Amino acid sequence: QKEVEQNSGPLSVPEGAIASLNCTYSDRVSQSFFWYRQYSGKSPELIMSIYSNGDKEDGRFTAQLNKASQYVSLLIRDSQPSDSATYLCAVKAGMASKIIFGSGTRLSIRP
Amino acid sequence: ETGVTQSPTHLIKTRGQQVTLRCSSQSGHNTVSWYQQALGQGPQFIFQYYREEENGRGNFPPRFSGLQFPNYSSELNVNALELDDSALYLCASSAAEQGSSGKLFFGSGTQLSVL
Repeated sequence: QKEVEQNSGPLSVPEGAIASLNCTYSDRVSQSFFWYRQYSGKSPELIMSIYSNGDKEDGRFTAQLNKASQYVSLLIRDSQPSDSATYLCAVKAGMASKIIFGSGTRLSIRP
Repeated sequence: ETGVTQSPTHLIKTRGQQVTLRCSSQSGHNTVSWYQQALGQGPQFIFQYYREEENGRGNFPPRFSGLQFPNYSSELNVNALELDDSALYLCASSAAEQGSSGKLFFGSGTQLSVL
């Protein structure tokens, strides 16, 4: 079982719609959860972090965490063509622990 | 811009050679993590350095080694290069102090090709 699992996609969403990206993790002691966006040929950039159960909103992005189900999701509202990228889910167990990444979901926003 | 710089940006080596990749961390960050990213895959954790000591290692053979210097910059060394070592090597810095988020900030990476 992979430590962090994501559907590789591609996920195709029409412009203006909501894109929903999902991630599950295996280590129950995980404490910190991150979403990174990676454009083709570029390095990952942090877009959201979440540490407690529930929703966290930042502009068009909402991260959702359910520790009981070991599930993290990212919603992108009013999807734009510039949102087309690979989205990486990442999980950290503790303060000094390594951050483990999923394989990423490729998102394509069609005009 | 994250303030994390990596060099070189591209590198071509032949099988069996050795390579050294370099990374300067963001100001105020004392932890450096190295990742290998193959095409179409997520970043794979190689190891992490905290205050000049290795502080966690992924599933990579001993021919992958590293260093962290007093100014928190870091090197990744790979000996006896294999064709499968061809990948993007990412360096990320973070702050590990109590109360910090532990968020990673990535450099632009070094693209290594092994022929």
